[in-house]
Amino acid sequence: EDKVVQSPLSLVVHEGDTVTLNCSYEVTNFRSLLWYKQEKKAPTFLFMLTSSGIEKKSGRLSSILDKKELSSILNITATQTGDSAIYLCAVYLTQGGSEKLVFGKGTKLTVNP
Amino acid sequence: NAGVMQNPRHLVRRRGQEARLRCSPMKGHSHVYWYRQLPEEGLKFMVYLQKENIIDESGMPKERFSAEFPKEGPSILRIQQVVRGDSAAYFCASSPRLTGELFFGEGSRLTVL
Repeated sequence: EDKVVQSPLSLVVHEGDTVTLNCSYEVTNFRSLLWYKQEKKAPTFLFMLTSSGIEKKSGRLSSILDKKELSSILNITATQTGDSAIYLCAVYLTQGGSEKLVFGKGTKLTVNP
Repeated sequence: NAGVMQNPRHLVRRRGQEARLRCSPMKGHSHVYWYRQLPEEGLKFMVYLQKENIIDESGMPKERFSAEFPKEGPSILRIQQVVRGDSAAYFCASSPRLTGELFFGEGSRLTVL
């Protein structure tokens, strides 16, 4: 069964801290790995990673994929209270004529002032 | 370009009633996905549809649940004879092509009394 595991499940930090969120996967027919941020409503897209070792950056957020270790990390530097959210990792895969995202349970990040 | 539109945003049903959730994908998007999210859980894949076709319904319970994406009109997720365990947030997502990046609606929160 395809599996995506995120850790930690929950994290509380102070503003200004740097955090690293982890995602590991065990799937067949891997195509890419995606990170989403979910506040109270719709998950919003952060990154898509297809190649190992190439870092993607957007402001204070960055992410990298390690295909050998079947894992990815999402880094957030100089955290702000607005970063408080659930961060979802998902693997895009093909399966018997279908293509879909399989999600981990998410990491709930709380940034305190 | 409006985002993925879901309605109703909140729906309350008594046990045994039917729930109908609607999703209008983004303009130009022909791939529609439905996901279910329980508290403290990630997004669980239910079904993947293209216009007039169900591509993959492997995540959908075999009984009481059905989905469609007609040639004209929104995609519908239908739950017959609802039970308390159906209470969850149901998210629809769409994509213009098979890239992995899905655009999510704000979800429909179903509460079964």
